[in-house]
Amino acid sequence: DTGVSQDPRHKITKRGQNVTFRCDPISEHNRLYWYRQTLGQGPEFLTYFQNEAQLEKSRLLSDRFSAERPKGSFSTLEIQRTEQGDSAMYLCASSPVRTHRTDTQYFGPGTRLTVL
Amino acid sequence: AQKVTQAQTEISVVEKEDVTLDCVYETRDTTYYLFWYKQPPSGELVFLIRRNSFDEQNEISGRYSWNFQKSTSSFNFTITASQVVDSAVYFCALSEVRYKLSFGAGTTVTVRA
Repeated sequence: DTGVSQDPRHKITKRGQNVTFRCDPISEHNRLYWYRQTLGQGPEFLTYFQNEAQLEKSRLLSDRFSAERPKGSFSTLEIQRTEQGDSAMYLCASSPVRTHRTDTQYFGPGTRLTVL
Repeated sequence: AQKVTQAQTEISVVEKEDVTLDCVYETRDTTYYLFWYKQPPSGELVFLIRRNSFDEQNEISGRYSWNFQKSTSSFNFTITASQVVDSAVYFCALSEVRYKLSFGAGTTVTVRA
């Protein structure tokens, strides 16, 4: 199986610019998750999709953040008017739907965002 | 409130020593899942193990072993005969609902040759 892929791997932008990241989940995984990881910390949950439906958003996801998964396959995460505090690693994960209450999430390599 | 606490920030050992990573969690749910992930310098989180709250059986997989104790809300991880390739940040995570993982702050393990 091909793993979760994310593009770009690194992004440097100036404060105030908009950025968009892409995540391609493992094929046939219909759940997709976004997390943010700052230096020295564990990942923090941002949002979650089941197929194309966005089912949960963390309070960390301000109005400047928007995520989509239009056809239930790949997902995009957009940050508008970036701020220096947005500098972090943005991780995407996917999981299959099985009978278990909780499914194992498999992570991509992440997109490292630096806002100057 | 922090749901997962990894009290050890950094551990440094010499190759072939054993390393035990502590993880203490907090939840009011009776059904939950615990995970360990490894994050090598490349940055990608690698899944290691998942346990559910009803299965306290300890597990050994090669040089890795896990000790789950509900009575102390702990899910500790041991690397036996450590190798340089084990150098990474290790994260413990808790899932109380099926879509969200709550991670600890991680423990950086450095194995010196």
